[in-house]
Amino acid sequence: GAGVSQSPRYKVAKRGQDVALRCDPISGHVSLFWYQQALGQGPEFLTYFQNEAQLDKSGLPSDRFFAERPEGSVSTLKIQRTQQEDSAVYLCASSLGGFRYGYTFGSGTRLTVV
Amino acid sequence: GESVGLHLPTLSVQEGDNSIINCAYSNSASDYFIWYKQESGKGPQFIIDIRSNMDKRQGQRVTVLLNKTVKHLSLQIAATQPGDSAVYFCAENPNAGGTSYGKLTFGQGTILTVHP
Repeated sequence: GAGVSQSPRYKVAKRGQDVALRCDPISGHVSLFWYQQALGQGPEFLTYFQNEAQLDKSGLPSDRFFAERPEGSVSTLKIQRTQQEDSAVYLCASSLGGFRYGYTFGSGTRLTVV
Repeated sequence: GESVGLHLPTLSVQEGDNSIINCAYSNSASDYFIWYKQESGKGPQFIIDIRSNMDKRQGQRVTVLLNKTVKHLSLQIAATQPGDSAVYFCAENPNAGGTSYGKLTFGQGTILTVHP
């Protein structure tokens, strides 16, 4: 597609519920990133994929967070047993490969845990 | 820990004025910096970047200045327009532990409001 697509745009979850957030990167983009953006803050790195390989997951806040990209294209960020502190915008970005090519962010999924 | 931060959380200007948004960083190993613009409900949008071997870079109506001595970064927007109203973030690539693939550390952001 023309840009990075994320779905759903908005998600309201009850505390304890599991959620799955989807990212469709730009076709052919090798690199894929997930960031978490709390209200009034800058995005914070969660995890990085190169094709299907998850090369860096150092930013995932707990073992309730899990990300996958099984075929090297679409990625899913899953949050188990959601808690109120998980409320944030989850941003996905993709790149042909590193800064040399720049990377493009999606519009994000706003997750609200009630 | 090391982080990127901003001096001014909000900035209000009149249309046609020049705007300057500042950012301090503390990681001396950072070798690449980017300014992003984020409008409400959208993801960050690339504005301009600069590498640590440069001290100035110009784009269309925007200039980024890098002062490595005091670890300071600024974004200058000439002839600011209402469409420039947004939150502006600086971001750095720490270039530590092999993160040159693109991992970024973002600052808190500055809200720029341009009055017609």
